[in-house]
Amino acid sequence: GAGVSQSPRYKVTKRGQDVTLRCDPISSHATLYWYQQALGQGPEFLTYFNYEAQPDKSGLPSDRFSAERPEGSISTLTIQRTEQRDSAMYRCASSPRAGVGNEQFFGPGTRLTVL
Amino acid sequence: GESVGLHLPTLSVQEGDNSIINCAYSNSASDYFIWYKQESGKGPQFIIDIRSNMDKRQGQRVTVLLNKTVKHLSLQIAATQPGDSAVYFCAENIGTSYGKLTFGQGTILTVHP
Repeated sequence: GAGVSQSPRYKVTKRGQDVTLRCDPISSHATLYWYQQALGQGPEFLTYFNYEAQPDKSGLPSDRFSAERPEGSISTLTIQRTEQRDSAMYRCASSPRAGVGNEQFFGPGTRLTVL
Repeated sequence: GESVGLHLPTLSVQEGDNSIINCAYSNSASDYFIWYKQESGKGPQFIIDIRSNMDKRQGQRVTVLLNKTVKHLSLQIAATQPGDSAVYFCAENIGTSYGKLTFGQGTILTVHP
């Protein structure tokens, strides 16, 4: 595709509900990253995939957060039993391959608001 | 924990001036640094990068300087234009093999016509 896309762009949910966010990376990009970005802050790493493998999920805040990339392309980030502190911008980025020096291309993000 | 940080949260310049945005880092294991530009409502966009074995790298109108002695990184923008107005983040890879980035807080650059 032309770039990284994410859906929905905005999501408002009530506390306790589950939400699933979607990322469509640039086609053929092997590596996909999920970040959480608070207002006025830089993105914070959550997890990354190399194809369908998930070698690092150390940034996921709790076991309520999970991510998948079953076929090595589209990825989803699921937050179970959402809490107000989960409200943030969630950004996805993809890169041609894993490794230092490979540019990460960011998507427009999903703004999650938990009421 | 160790992290990347910024000296100045905001910078206001006149069109045509040169801009300098600074960033301090504390982890000596950092081996790769990147500057990103983020415009309102958009995701971060890559500007320029530098590896730790270099002290200077130039792009189109931008220069990144790395001083490993004092753990300082700067982004210089020549002839700043209104379209350069954005939030600028420095980010680093702290010794991972796969390019995991740790971002700083960001500097808001405002360019006045």
